[in-house]
Amino acid sequence: AQSVTQPDIHITVSEGASLELRCNYSYGATPYLFWYVQSPGQGLQLLLKYFSGDTLVQGIKGFEAEFKRSQSSFNLRKPSVHWSDAAEYFCAVVESGAGSYQLTFGKGTKLSVIP
Amino acid sequence: NAGVTQTPKFQVLKTGQSMTLQCAQDMNHNSMYWYRQDPGMGLRLIYYSASEGTTDKGEVPNGYNVSRLNKREFSLRLESAAPSQTSVYFCASSAGTSGALSTDTQYFGPGTRLTVL
Repeated sequence: AQSVTQPDIHITVSEGASLELRCNYSYGATPYLFWYVQSPGQGLQLLLKYFSGDTLVQGIKGFEAEFKRSQSSFNLRKPSVHWSDAAEYFCAVVESGAGSYQLTFGKGTKLSVIP
Repeated sequence: NAGVTQTPKFQVLKTGQSMTLQCAQDMNHNSMYWYRQDPGMGLRLIYYSASEGTTDKGEVPNGYNVSRLNKREFSLRLESAAPSQTSVYFCASSAGTSGALSTDTQYFGPGTRLTVL
């Protein structure tokens, strides 16, 4: 079964600094990969997704992520963090081609932004 | 266009009570989902419905039942609530049907915070 690991439970960055949130997956075939963001008290919103093609994916709000098959990783990046980016970020994976309907989420990384 | 709506926003139950969480979407989506979110656990799928009239179990279905009332509505019922069901519950929907779900974007509601005493 697929699994997703987000090694960092909580990250604090200064406003304007760069950001990288880590995500590793465990799955044999090509996965479909997603990053979602959850602002406090809100539901989840899709930032970006990857399922084929260019391994560098652009998303909303200035985020991007790079799929690295050799490292089983799909890290989320942003060159300059804004205070409004403070939220919890979830990486998720779905099996490809297996008829699976289940989106498996990582446990999340909480991002704090300091002025 | 409200997207995915959930009612109620908050609920407190006593052990053994029953209740139904309501979810509706106005995006004409085929698939709908119920998740629970617990601290340090991420989101876990309870049940899903790939099309009107069908429902299937997810990762943690025990203690829950669902009804896909029509294309718009998907309800989650707790027949006899237990403290272990204290959680935040999210409903989501996506456009695809069976076979197309894996690349679909899921759109989430704002959640229902349930406490079982």
